[in-house]
Amino acid sequence: QVQLVQSGSELKKPGASVKVSCKASGYTFTSYAMNWVRQAPGQGLEWMGWINTNTGNPTYAQGFTGRFVFSLDTSVSTAYLQISSLKAEDTAVYYCARDVLSLRRSFKNWFDPWGQGTLVTVSS
Amino acid sequence: DIQMTQSPSSLSASVGDRVTITCRASQGISNYLAWYQQKPGKVPKLLIYAASTLQSGVPSRFSGSGSGTDFTLTISSLQPEDVATYYCQKYNSALRGFGGGTKVEIK
Repeated sequence: QVQLVQSGSELKKPGASVKVSCKASGYTFTSYAMNWVRQAPGQGLEWMGWINTNTGNPTYAQGFTGRFVFSLDTSVSTAYLQISSLKAEDTAVYYCARDVLSLRRSFKNWFDPWGQGTLVTVSS
Repeated sequence: DIQMTQSPSSLSASVGDRVTITCRASQGISNYLAWYQQKPGKVPKLLIYAASTLQSGVPSRFSGSGSGTDFTLTISSLQPEDVATYYCQKYNSALRGFGGGTKVEIK
């Protein structure tokens, strides 16, 4: 079955970097785009952007440029989110979520399935 | 960028009540809208896509409607297991985005 498994919780100090992984299984990784979604404690879902898993081209939402980088390792069907110069306000659960329609069919997409989420805590 | 606004931000209703949640886009998005349910401490779950198509396995008491700028998610008969926050998501372009969410509680 299609599954996304994310890396475990992280505790980081302000100014450090973190890299969250999202390992896909059950489908052809390079056929479906991957999205990243942030959820701060007690807050709603924020779409951070997506990465074309065929070309590696990322698209970032407003507010997620500069310190946020999406990357891939297609040899192990894994997408990554790296956040640098961490701040306390980056404390959140980060989800990866796959596009439902393949890259060949459409870029207009909703999300399913989702990874289980990775809690990143930034604290001194 | 197109903004998505949900209302109300929270609601309390009795078991068996009909519940309606609204999602409004700042510009027309045709029917490129999905709805998700997120129960406390859980991963968001897809309910509806293309504004009104029910995802496989989702109970038929959930329904969606709308096109253009105004959309609704309706729960025809609220059940205790429907306690959750509901989010709309636009996908009319490569720039996707969520509404602010509607928290549904039992009265």
